[in-house]
Amino acid sequence: GENVEQHPSTLSVQEGDSAVIKCTYSDSASNYFPWYKQELGKGPQLIIDIRSNVGEKKDQRIAVTLNKTAKHFSLHITETQPEDSAVYFCPSWGKDSNYQLIWGAGTKLIIKP
Amino acid sequence: KAGVTQTPRYLIKTRGQQVTLSCSPISGHRSVSWYQQTPGQGLQFLFEYFSETQRNKGNFPGRFSGRQFSNSRSEMNVSTLELGDSALYLCASFGGRSDTQYFGPGTRLTVL
Repeated sequence: GENVEQHPSTLSVQEGDSAVIKCTYSDSASNYFPWYKQELGKGPQLIIDIRSNVGEKKDQRIAVTLNKTAKHFSLHITETQPEDSAVYFCPSWGKDSNYQLIWGAGTKLIIKP
Repeated sequence: KAGVTQTPRYLIKTRGQQVTLSCSPISGHRSVSWYQQTPGQGLQFLFEYFSETQRNKGNFPGRFSGRQFSNSRSEMNVSTLELGDSALYLCASFGGRSDTQYFGPGTRLTVL
């Protein structure tokens, strides 16, 4: 079945530096790849998404790149700020998802002041 | 447009009791999914409803059940609570032409 892996599991960066989180999926027929941010005590919030007919998408300090051949996509955050500290997820609609998003364990991003 | 709402936000129960959680999706969304999230874990899929029908179910015991009403509001029920059921329960809705699931704030359940 579908499996989603995120790397790294924890990422600590200095405020102002860039952060990159990579997501690999095993078998997805989906053409839609979202990134969610979850702050402590809150539900996940969509921050950016990309479709397979697009290689890169940018929204201010956040960008996502997709390599569907290699089955991975990455989240890039530039000029990190304290409010970027959160857990980031990259769920995927698997080939046999049957209306179920497959979620990885997430990446905890820590922004050091 | 109002977002996904969940009630209650916090709940404390004791072992053996049962609990019902409620979720109101975004207006116009007919699909509602439920997830369990324990500390440090990703989201574990419980079940998904569409137009009052359960379309998919995760690997949880039968103590976990749900339903959806004609107005798309959904409830999930956990009977005979165990300590391990303590978690954040999240509800998400999607619909229309969007592939995006929108999440509510969650219900924090503590079982003592």
